[in-house]
Amino acid sequence: DGGITQSPKYLFRKEGQNVTLSCEQNLNHDAMYWYRQDPGQGLRLIYYSQIVNDFQKGDIAEGYSVSREKKESFPLTVTSAQKNPTAFYLCASKSVNEKLFFGSGTQLSVL
Amino acid sequence: QKEVEQDPGPLSVPEGAIVSLNCTYSNSAFQYFMWYRQYSRKGPELLMYTYSSGNKEDGRFTAQVDKSSKYISLFIRDSQPSDSATYLCAMTPFSGGYQKVTFGTGTKLQVIP
Repeated sequence: DGGITQSPKYLFRKEGQNVTLSCEQNLNHDAMYWYRQDPGQGLRLIYYSQIVNDFQKGDIAEGYSVSREKKESFPLTVTSAQKNPTAFYLCASKSVNEKLFFGSGTQLSVL
Repeated sequence: QKEVEQDPGPLSVPEGAIVSLNCTYSNSAFQYFMWYRQYSRKGPELLMYTYSSGNKEDGRFTAQVDKSSKYISLFIRDSQPSDSATYLCAMTPFSGGYQKVTFGTGTKLQVIP
């Protein structure tokens, strides 16, 4: 089945620690996205990538980093510079006709 | 003012009711309009996708776009308890190159048996 796989489902971060969220897709989409979802705030764009080896900051990129070494993979690192990382993180890829397809999400919490 | 406004609800309806969910927007460049359904702590699932103005029907779901009023709607007929979820509207300008998808904050719907 084609789709987007996010892992882990739950992740805990200690103070000062960097953590990496995995996102893999087998939809053969060029564009991939990371969103953060907080209660009552909707989806906010962290980073996006239009093509391999290229990515751009979204609206709330501070404290986050990404890489796009393969078409299928777009991992997100939440660095220690992100002071309020507790949120639900969603990865998505986009088809050529602008449809976004989402993974099942990762809930990140701070210990 | 936000680019996309959506009433957060919650909206509670009895089973079998017709549900109307709405979004308004301010950017006249939006051309593609989508509705997503999101169950608690799950990823959003694409329900309806419309290009430009008009209506689109898929089973119990109907999406309407009125670009002159900058207003989109999602109607759910014969609502079921399994429809209880948060519904997000989303929209984006013309295709080609990078186009940001702008989301509403979501409306939480509860269908009571």
